[in-house]
Formats: sequence, C-alpha cells, structure tokens
Amino acid sequence: AQSVAQPEDQVNVAEGNPLTVKCTYSVSGNPYLFWYVQYPNRGLQFLLKYITGDNLVKGSYGFEAEFNKSQTSFHLKKPSALVSDSALYFCAVRERGGYQKVTFGIGTKLQVIP
Amino acid sequence: DGGITQSPKYLFRKEGQNVTLSCEQNLNHDAMYWYRQDPGQGLRLIYYSQIVNDFQKGDIAEGYSVSREKKESFPLTVTSAQKNPTAFYLCASTYSAGNTEAFFGQGTRLTVV
Repeated sequence: AQSVAQPEDQVNVAEGNPLTVKCTYSVSGNPYLFWYVQYPNRGLQFLLKYITGDNLVKGSYGFEAEFNKSQTSFHLKKPSALVSDSALYFCAVRERGGYQKVTFGIGTKLQVIP
Repeated sequence: DGGITQSPKYLFRKEGQNVTLSCEQNLNHDAMYWYRQDPGQGLRLIYYSQIVNDFQKGDIAEGYSVSREKKESFPLTVTSAQKNPTAFYLCASTYSAGNTEAFFGQGTRLTVV
C-alpha cells in the first residue's frame, strides 16, 4: 500500500529566509508526486509535480521540490519565504497503473513570521 | 470557466438523518474522489471513481455511499451509520492519466446538530 509521511506538523520560518517542508513516501514502483497548498476553509490548490526526468521541479509562486529516489523524499522548498506563503501544505503520491489512487500526507502548517 | 463545484458550502444534519453532498465538474475529468478532512489527520479517502458506473471504497468508506451515473457528477451521501460525520468534505477530480494533478472543490463543512 502506498503512503506519504510529512514528519512536521508545523514549520516556522522568518520572512525572507529559505523554507523547507519535508515529505517522504512509500509506493511500489516509480511514483507520481505532488504538492498542494490549502488556505483556511478552502479546497487544495496544485503547486507542482514530479513525473519523470529532472529531479528538481519548479512550480507556482516560486516553490520548487527535489525528488530523491534513494531517500524516497520529495521536499518542498522556496529560497525566500513570504508572509503570504503561510498555509497548510500537503504532499501526495499517485500510483501508476491500476486504479491510480491518490494518497495525501497529513499536511504541514507553514507559518512565516514577519 | 472550467472547474469543480461543491454544494452546499455549509450543511447541518440532525442525528439519524442522511444527507447528500453535491460535487459537479465540467473539466471532462474521468476520475473523481471524495476526501474527509479533520484537524491533525490530513485528507482521508472515502470513495473514488475512475469511470462512470464504477467506484471503489477508500480508506474510510463505512457510513458513506456514492453514485457515479454521469461523468460530471459524484454525489456523496453521509448516512446515519456514520457515527462522527462532522468534518470538512472535499471533492476532487483528475484525468485518468496518473501524471495529472487533481482539481479540488471549495469544500462542504458538515456539522451534526
């Protein structure tokens, strides 16, 4: 069975500093990996995805993520955090083939401090 | 505009009642999903459907039912058998191809009164 782990419930970072939100996964075969962001009382919005190829993926709002197959990780990063980045971030994995179920992590709350 | 619409935004249910949450998409997506979100537990999959007239149980299907009679629609019924239904419910859709991202509705907050 596939699974996603986000080991940190909350990440605090000062505005202007780099940020990292961690994600590790477990899945049979090669994964499709995604990051989403959620603002209060709203649905999730897609940020970026890894399908194949370059391990560094760039996405919306200056975010990027690095796929590391040996460590089964897909950490979300941003060089300089903004207060407006404060939100709940979800990592997700989608299986290849079969019913292609999407599994989400429990989410990490990012707090950017002015 | 293409998108995915959930209604209502807020829903109140009395003990012992069944309620149905609506989810409609005009993105021509094949796959649709229902998730439940509780604080500290992330998104948990209730049901998903890859094609019309076919759906699969997710991780927490007990007390819920779905139908997929049309490609655009995937309603979720919360039955009286669901003992703790108060939660935020999210509907999502994707293309069948696994490398495509999901689009989410704005959610329905269900409260038992």
